[in-house]
Amino acid sequence: GAVVSQHPSRVICKSGTSVKIECRSLDFQATTMFWYRQFPKQSLMLMATSNEGSKATYEQGVEKDKFLINHASLTLSTLTVTSAHPEDSSFYICSAARTSGISYEQYFGPGTRLTVT
Amino acid sequence: AQSVSQHNHHVILSEAASLELGCNYSYGGTVNLFWYVQYPGQHLQLLLKYFSGDPLVKGIKGFEAEFIKSKFSFNLRKPSVQWSDTAEYFCAVNEGSASKIIFGSGTRLSIRP
Repeated sequence: GAVVSQHPSRVICKSGTSVKIECRSLDFQATTMFWYRQFPKQSLMLMATSNEGSKATYEQGVEKDKFLINHASLTLSTLTVTSAHPEDSSFYICSAARTSGISYEQYFGPGTRLTVT
Repeated sequence: AQSVSQHNHHVILSEAASLELGCNYSYGGTVNLFWYVQYPGQHLQLLLKYFSGDPLVKGIKGFEAEFIKSKFSFNLRKPSVQWSDTAEYFCAVNEGSASKIIFGSGTRLSIRP
């Protein structure tokens, strides 16, 4: 099966610092990865689409200068939360897309719990 | 823009009861439809998906869903739930020509032993 990992699983940082979250597809290549944010007891909100070798596409309302996304290889995308503030505390989830014929599926990582103090 | 509606926010059932969770989407073109489950403390898992063909889709763990195009619906069903089905269930959709998936607000399912 397709496996997506995220690192770290939990991170606590001080307000004003930056945090990098990694998303890796372990056994397949993903030209497209996605970053979501999930608040407690709420649904996943798509933040951006990350394409290997090109700039990420951000959803409306998501600050691209605050949430830096880099998709450097077919198996790795990173999300950097810059100058983090307490309101950025959330659960960040990535997914990697795999297409096979007409079938399409996204595989989700386990998520990263960010707490900004 | 696409949107996905899940009208049941929290459903409470007894074991062995039948389950149906509603999902409606708004998009007039070709769509792919998904149901994901998130067990407590775990990451999202795909239950089933519809791309084309038979509108009645069977997934894992005894779940099934029926795509009714005229009603823009993709309801999730299970004839007899178990305590282990306690989880959050998300309906999702993406356009045939695009890859991003839009999620519904989720339905929390609680099963009484």
